[in-house]
Amino acid sequence: NAGVTQTPKFRVLKTGQSMTLLCAQDMNHEYMYWYRQDPGMGLRLIHYSVGEGTTAKGEVPDGYNVSRLKKQNFLLGLESAAPSQTSVYFCASSYPTRGGELFFGEGSRLTVL
Amino acid sequence: QQQVKQSPQSLIVQKGGISIINCAYENTAFDYFPWYQQFPGKGPALLIAIRPDVSEKKEGRFTISFNKSAKQFSLHIMDSQPGDSATYFCAASGRGSTLGRLYFGRGTQLTVWP
Repeated sequence: NAGVTQTPKFRVLKTGQSMTLLCAQDMNHEYMYWYRQDPGMGLRLIHYSVGEGTTAKGEVPDGYNVSRLKKQNFLLGLESAAPSQTSVYFCASSYPTRGGELFFGEGSRLTVL
Repeated sequence: QQQVKQSPQSLIVQKGGISIINCAYENTAFDYFPWYQQFPGKGPALLIAIRPDVSEKKEGRFTISFNKSAKQFSLHIMDSQPGDSATYFCAASGRGSTLGRLYFGRGTQLTVWP
């Protein structure tokens, strides 16, 4: 049972380049989330999805887009990367009935030069 | 506006000592308060959680104390061990338009010296 899998684990981009982070979960969870983690800032919610085909903005959505075409996948896109988007990105998923119990992936470290 | 405030930012404890991390919140709609533990290079994982109908929850060496009137909750790690060295996040969520959305504190980096 893989849980939540994120790809890639590491990526270096130049300013202005685009990329997509992929999150896949095999727990049949309805809810999926993308967080970013920066030193001293904790975990901040970028976007989330409460079901296939639905997405919503979190606390820090600017510069990111997401899609949830399949229940098991949640994609995070950067259309034009900026140095401020250098961070560690975490995907998570949960059952809607379990409230706040999130299952996290191992993270994707992104550096924008 | 930070929904959940966590302190201290870092904590150093000797092996066998008690580690205490505190969190405070303002939103009275919050009704679920989990703590997450994160080891370097890994994603956070649920450690223990509490709902406001109880004042304390204990699981092994980990205890959450909850003070509803003060809107504060804390994590106590008894007999702290070097293997407990990690970053700890408190969080809160509540009933509303989006079930399951968690608001995290900024984290506490715990180091337990052998």
